[in-house]
Amino acid sequence: RKEVEQDPGPFNVPEGATVAFNCTYSNSASQSFFWYRQDCRKEPKLLMSVYSSGNEDGRFTAQLNRASQYISLLIRDSKLSDSATYLCVVNKAAGNKLTFGGGTRVLVKP
Amino acid sequence: DVKVTQSSRYLVKRTGEKVFLECVQDMDHENMFWYRQDPGLGLRLIYFSYDVKMKEKGDIPEGYSVSREKKERFSLILESASTNQTSMYLCASSSSGRSETQYFGPGTRLLVL
Repeated sequence: RKEVEQDPGPFNVPEGATVAFNCTYSNSASQSFFWYRQDCRKEPKLLMSVYSSGNEDGRFTAQLNRASQYISLLIRDSKLSDSATYLCVVNKAAGNKLTFGGGTRVLVKP
Repeated sequence: DVKVTQSSRYLVKRTGEKVFLECVQDMDHENMFWYRQDPGLGLRLIYFSYDVKMKEKGDIPEGYSVSREKKERFSLILESASTNQTSMYLCASSSSGRSETQYFGPGTRLLVL
């Protein structure tokens, strides 16, 4: 079983719609959680951290469910520029190593 | 702005050749990482370094070595390239204080024939 699993998609989303997707992690000792974004043929970039109480950053909402070991990302009012692959990232323990999921591809269409 | 640069965007090598991939960051970051990214497998950590002359194996170190002689530079070495090392190689750096934020270089797409 992979340490961090994501639905690869693609999620085809009409412009203006809401899309949500999850990521599961296998290590219950995982401490920190993040979403990174990777545009086609570009490098990954940090989108947002995921806090236990859930957090928003503009149209993006991230949530953590420790009991079920998953995190989620919701995008409201989708824009064409939101088309990208979203990488779920977990920090297993205090330290500098991150474990990346395979990514969920989102395609926003007019 | 943090800048992480990689020596080549595209590289074509032959089986058995020694390959050097260079990575330079300009933010005085302590931590540097080498990943490879393959379709369906995501990013996998090859090696990382917390400090000059320090290196630690990641999840898939076999067939690779690294060198960190200066803080800003982290090199990935393929001693004898093989076709299964054809991949996208990404370098990243982070500070010890904000280790969750890794800054990535643009990547090197390596083709081994």
